[in-house]
Amino acid sequence: AQRVTQPEKLLSVFKGAPVELKCNYSYSGSPELFWYVQYSRQRLQLLLRHISRESIKGFTADLNKGETSFHLKKPFAQEEDSAMYYCALSGSGGSYIPTFGRGTSLIVHP
Amino acid sequence: DSGVTQTPKHLITATGQRVTLRCSPRSGDLSVYWYQQSLDQGLQFLIQYYNGEERAKGNILERFSAQQFPDLHSELNLSSLELGDSALYFCASSFTPRVNEQFFGPGTRLTVL
Repeated sequence: AQRVTQPEKLLSVFKGAPVELKCNYSYSGSPELFWYVQYSRQRLQLLLRHISRESIKGFTADLNKGETSFHLKKPFAQEEDSAMYYCALSGSGGSYIPTFGRGTSLIVHP
Repeated sequence: DSGVTQTPKHLITATGQRVTLRCSPRSGDLSVYWYQQSLDQGLQFLIQYYNGEERAKGNILERFSAQQFPDLHSELNLSSLELGDSALYFCASSFTPRVNEQFFGPGTRLTVL
């Protein structure tokens, strides 16, 4: 069974500090991994996906198949980064059932 | 608004009742997904439709059913409601059936009393 684990419910940092939101997954195959973000009073929206290998709003995430992780990182947090972050997994071998983690609430203090 | 729309925004009903939640996908999107978000379970995938056909099924109860109509809007029917069905129900859409990028709606908050 596929599973996504976000071990931290809440992550609190100060502006300018580095941020790492952890995501570990379990999947027997080649997964597709995503990070979604939900800002206050806004819809859940895609932040980035591992196949794009892009940096969005200063965030990056590298898929580590050995450690089965897809941690989200940003070197210098900004107050506007405060939001709920969800890691998600989708199978790539015919079954596209998406699995979301429980989410991590990031609070960036001024 | 060409984004995903969901109606109603809020729904309060009693145990044993039946409700229908509606979702209109983003213009051009063919696939619709339904999710349930509760405090204790997080975001749970329920079911996916692509161009009118059921594509994938997740942890959807037998009391729940869904369909996608020819105009691509979708409805999620919840029957014999229980207190534990109280949750936020999200709809998302994408152009392809692959879960590469989903666009989420604002959600419908269901409260079962």
